[in-house]
Amino acid sequence: ETGVTQTPRHLVMGMTNKKSLKCEQHLGHNAMYWYKQSAKKPLELMFVYSLEERVENNSVPSRFSPECPNSSHLFLHLHTLQPEDSALYLCASSQAADVSGANVLTFGAGSRLTVL
Amino acid sequence: QQQVKQSPQSLIVQKGGISIINCAYENTAFDYFPWYQQFPGKGPALLIAIRPDVSEKKEGRFTISFNKSAKQFSLHIMDSQPGDSATYFCAASITYGRHNYGQNFVFGPGTRLSVLP
Repeated sequence: ETGVTQTPRHLVMGMTNKKSLKCEQHLGHNAMYWYKQSAKKPLELMFVYSLEERVENNSVPSRFSPECPNSSHLFLHLHTLQPEDSALYLCASSQAADVSGANVLTFGAGSRLTVL
Repeated sequence: QQQVKQSPQSLIVQKGGISIINCAYENTAFDYFPWYQQFPGKGPALLIAIRPDVSEKKEGRFTISFNKSAKQFSLHIMDSQPGDSATYFCAASITYGRHNYGQNFVFGPGTRLSVLP
């Protein structure tokens, strides 16, 4: 496998359920991200991990809990979500930029989440 | 200041025509402006990018025009094809250097392009 792989691709859950989204990158990158994509809204950065350390948390509700056990894997644990959390959740990875250029985000295909 | 505005929200173009998508930003510290293309069921993928030290960058049928003084940049798709039908996102970021990572990417809301056969 190459690139960034996300599972599951589709998830339907009730408001009281606990589920997890998984992301795996095969690019040797050292930074991983969770983005939320809602209709007609800009991509919203949720979390950033660089070298397995969380470096960004954009005021995301605590019902979303990220986990990065190593540089290739990223999880988003979900519990007691709300219907407005229904969205496409995108994982991305990048390599820290060198002095000559900015880094490029490589996205996975996303996990489509529906909260009933 | 961190917002990137994008227009139009949707665009319909005949095959062979020119598609133009515009973006504007406020933060003059931005120094890297990529465009991402997203097909249904896929994640966004980098299409083309520009830095503000040049006014234009061309890759095949895709061209970015950059106006630093106006703080605007645009994507032009020449000879548009039905296969170009997708959602296009402009973005802006700041390059810190050696240890930078992409947490500072700001995305526009996207433009849904439909190219009619």
